[in-house]
Amino acid sequence: GQNIDQPTEMTATEGAIVQINCTYQTSGFNGLFWYQQHAGEAPTFLSYNVLDGLEEKGRFSSFLSRSKGYSYLLLKELQMKDSASYLCAVRGYQAGTALIFGKGTTLSVSS
Amino acid sequence: EPEVTQTPSHQVTQMGQEVILRCVPISNHLYFYWYRQILGQKVEFLVSFYNNEISEKSEIFDDQFSVERPDGSNFTLKIRSTKLEDSAMYFCASSEMGVGTGDEKLFFGSGTQLSVL
Repeated sequence: GQNIDQPTEMTATEGAIVQINCTYQTSGFNGLFWYQQHAGEAPTFLSYNVLDGLEEKGRFSSFLSRSKGYSYLLLKELQMKDSASYLCAVRGYQAGTALIFGKGTTLSVSS
Repeated sequence: EPEVTQTPSHQVTQMGQEVILRCVPISNHLYFYWYRQILGQKVEFLVSFYNNEISEKSEIFDDQFSVERPDGSNFTLKIRSTKLEDSAMYFCASSEMGVGTGDEKLFFGSGTQLSVL
């Protein structure tokens, strides 16, 4: 099975940088995903890591260490609209295996 | 941009009644999923579907639940006899490719809020 841990809540101010951590245990591994979910809306894809290292995509970057079972999402130049839940999700290695989500980290950005 | 569409957006039902939640996945996608999210809780996997059969299901997806692809475009989730604890947002999702073929991200619909009274 899979087990995913993330902090429940984080706060930050506009313009700042925030790092949201995720640790996971999974039997088999085939990728780690980060999704953003605004309140009352569907999750939307942010990033995908399958190899160790940093993937950068504009203001958002995601890092993976498979040996440590660890990932983080880095958000730079925070904006008010970044206030949302950030969901870490992993996928097992079996064909057809779905994404399993963590409980998410609720980020509040203030001015 | 293509999107996953779900109907209805809200569904209210009495305990014990059957409900069918409908989804139209993105047209060239081959993998379909149902997730649910109880208010304030995490997004939980229910079932995945590929090539007209269930690929994987969670322990939540018991005999009260079933899925179907009745035609070339729709994907449905049926709950046979709803319980109070089935009240949740139900998300349909689809992906183009399968595991191991790349960043096979899931695209989610906007959800159906199911309220069981």
